[in-house]
Amino acid sequence: QQQVKQSPQSLIVQKGGISIINCAYENTAFDYFPWYQQFPGKGPALLIAIRPDVSEKKEGRFTISFNKSAKQFSLHIMDSQPGDSATYFCAASRGSRLTFGEGTQLTVNP
Amino acid sequence: GAGVSQSPSNKVTEKGKDVELRCDPISGHTALYWYRQSLGQGLEFLIYFQGNSAPDKSGLPSDRFSAERTGGSVSTLTIQRTQQEDSAVYLCASSLFGGSNTGELFFGEGSRLTVL
Repeated sequence: QQQVKQSPQSLIVQKGGISIINCAYENTAFDYFPWYQQFPGKGPALLIAIRPDVSEKKEGRFTISFNKSAKQFSLHIMDSQPGDSATYFCAASRGSRLTFGEGTQLTVNP
Repeated sequence: GAGVSQSPSNKVTEKGKDVELRCDPISGHTALYWYRQSLGQGLEFLIYFQGNSAPDKSGLPSDRFSAERTGGSVSTLTIQRTQQEDSAVYLCASSLFGGSNTGELFFGEGSRLTVL
């Protein structure tokens, strides 16, 4: 009930392409769905987040798509850049505890 | 600095020794969290503090793990009688509020623990 499943584990995209990372959850009580970005040797940092009352949120090149009935949400990175190469974690929470997915290592080739 | 500060950044210890990891949250943040990140894995929740109390410590993997927070600020995670499986990066995070309004977590850079 507390798990968040993330795929793919790794992703290689060419510069300018679209990166798509998917997550699925079981607990329908989750009410907050953030994505975190982590560079090597650094702590994760919040990238973008969504609440289940909307189906999509866009901030610059980053978009979250949310499908409440399917209990799935995804991160789309448009016009991917080499500087986007990092590990991305989806997460879900209700209350104080964030449950994270296993992470996706994204590599954007120049 | 204004961010979450953790020390030490790296710790190598021998199996069976005790270790203490320290976290300085962002000033004014009432909520503090400890997570563990093993190589190539996701973030595993350990414990959550609201002020000095820990309403959720269900993620601590065994009674060898304990944590405290004093003055609503600094937190220490203690691992007693360390085992090789304790090797990981221990991440601390803070947020302005906890409970149902947790919002954004701000993470430190972590303490990398290696148990030989």
